Amino acid sequence: QKEVEQNSGPLSVPEGAIASLNCTYSDRVSQSFFWYRQYSGKSPELIMSIYSNGDKEDGRFTAQLNKASQYVSLLIRDSQPSDSATYLCAVTPGDSWGKLQFGAGTQVVVTP
Amino acid sequence: GAVVSQHPSRVICKSGTSVKIECRSLDFQATTMFWYRQFPKQSLMLMATSNEGSKATYEQGVEKDKFLINHASLTLSTLTVTSAHPEDSSFYICSATRGETQYFGPGTRLLVL
Repeated sequence: QKEVEQNSGPLSVPEGAIASLNCTYSDRVSQSFFWYRQYSGKSPELIMSIYSNGDKEDGRFTAQLNKASQYVSLLIRDSQPSDSATYLCAVTPGDSWGKLQFGAGTQVVVTP
Repeated sequence: GAVVSQHPSRVICKSGTSVKIECRSLDFQATTMFWYRQFPKQSLMLMATSNEGSKATYEQGVEKDKFLINHASLTLSTLTVTSAHPEDSSFYICSATRGETQYFGPGTRLLVL
C-alpha cells in the first residue's frame, strides 16, 4: 500500500529558529510533491510544490526533494508564532494523476 | 492566484434533511475537483473525484447515493449530503485542480442535529 509518512509532532520551535519537517513516501514513481499548511479549523493552503531533485526556495520556506531516498522535507527559517500550524506533505501517486496522497501532518508550535 | 470558494461556510440542519454544498473555482477552470471530509484531529479523507461532464468517482466506503456530486461546469461542483444524520457532521472541503496542483476551498462545517 502506498504511504506518505510524517512525524505527527508536536514539533516545538523557538521563535526565530529553523523548523525542519520530514516526509517519506513509498511510491517510487511519484512525480509531484506538495507542502500544505493547515491552521486549526481551516482548510489547507499551498505553501510549496516541488518536482525535481534538489532545493526550492520561496521566502522563508525551502523544500528539498530526494527521489532516490524517497524523501521530501520543508525548512522554515526565522520561524514566527504565525507559523504554528499543521503541515501536510502530499504526493501525487504515479498511477493517479491529479489525486493527492496526504501524510497525517506534523504539528508545529513556535514558541515566543 | 488560484481562488476556490465554498458555500455555505457553515450549516446546521435537522436529521433527515439534505444539504447542498457548492465549490467554485473563481479565477480558473477546473476539469477536476475533489471532495474531502475531515473529522476533528484527523487527516483529510478523500471522498470522491468530480470530473466535469462525467460521473464522479467515489473512494471505497463512500456511499455514492448518499453523497451526490454534480460537476456541471468547469467552475462549479456541488456535493449534496442526502438524508443527513448526526454522524455526517464534519468539515467538508473541496479542491480544484489547476495543472497538477490542488487548491482548496475554505471548507464547509456541517452540523446535523
